[in-house]
Amino acid sequence: SQQGEEDPQALSIQEGENATMNCSYKTSINNLQWYRQNSGRGLVHLILIRSNEREKHSGRLRVTLDTSKKSSSLLITASRAADTASYFCATDAVLTGGGNKLTFGTGTQLKVEL
Amino acid sequence: NAGVTQTPKFQVLKTGQSMTLQCAQDMNHEYMSWYRQDPGMGLRLIHYSVGAGITDQGEVPNGYNVSRSTTEDFPLRLLSAAPSQTSVYFCASRRGPTYNSPLHFGNGTRLTVT
Repeated sequence: SQQGEEDPQALSIQEGENATMNCSYKTSINNLQWYRQNSGRGLVHLILIRSNEREKHSGRLRVTLDTSKKSSSLLITASRAADTASYFCATDAVLTGGGNKLTFGTGTQLKVEL
Repeated sequence: NAGVTQTPKFQVLKTGQSMTLQCAQDMNHEYMSWYRQDPGMGLRLIHYSVGAGITDQGEVPNGYNVSRSTTEDFPLRLLSAAPSQTSVYFCASRRGPTYNSPLHFGNGTRLTVT
């Protein structure tokens, strides 16, 4: 079963607008990560936020984490056509038998139009 | 700097055939994993390894075998391909299972089983 669920499933905006994607999860986590996937390619890591952090920035990306609500959001400011891709959240949780496991959601498809 | 390399990029198999998907990384990462990606399902973990000689099952291991004889290589074997194994397969690695570290993905193998 999926740990993370993104919302919305698809998002279409104009270049220059901001894009916000949300992720909800079910169990306790060590960290939450966001990835981007361009069509036909592998996933690329964008940003990692630890469970004791509430907000993190990287360039035009802003990620928030609310562990009480088990949710996270990814904001892309001043979007560009090159931001068109699928975005996935992934939760990193400790396994009962030891080690960590990264579980991915189903993704948000973002289209940025000129 | 190659990162994670997967071969082949595309493969067509007939039901019942066997094949091995290759994965190699040159980052000296302890942790390696295989995911499959299907429409609407996100990425699902097949098998993973926390170091040479150690492998474990993910959430969808049936029909797949793995081994980890070296740090660099983590091949995925399909012993008797079935149409349900038609998917895109991604290999990913990271520094270690207990670190707050991101996954590095290969570009995937698109497998069709007829």
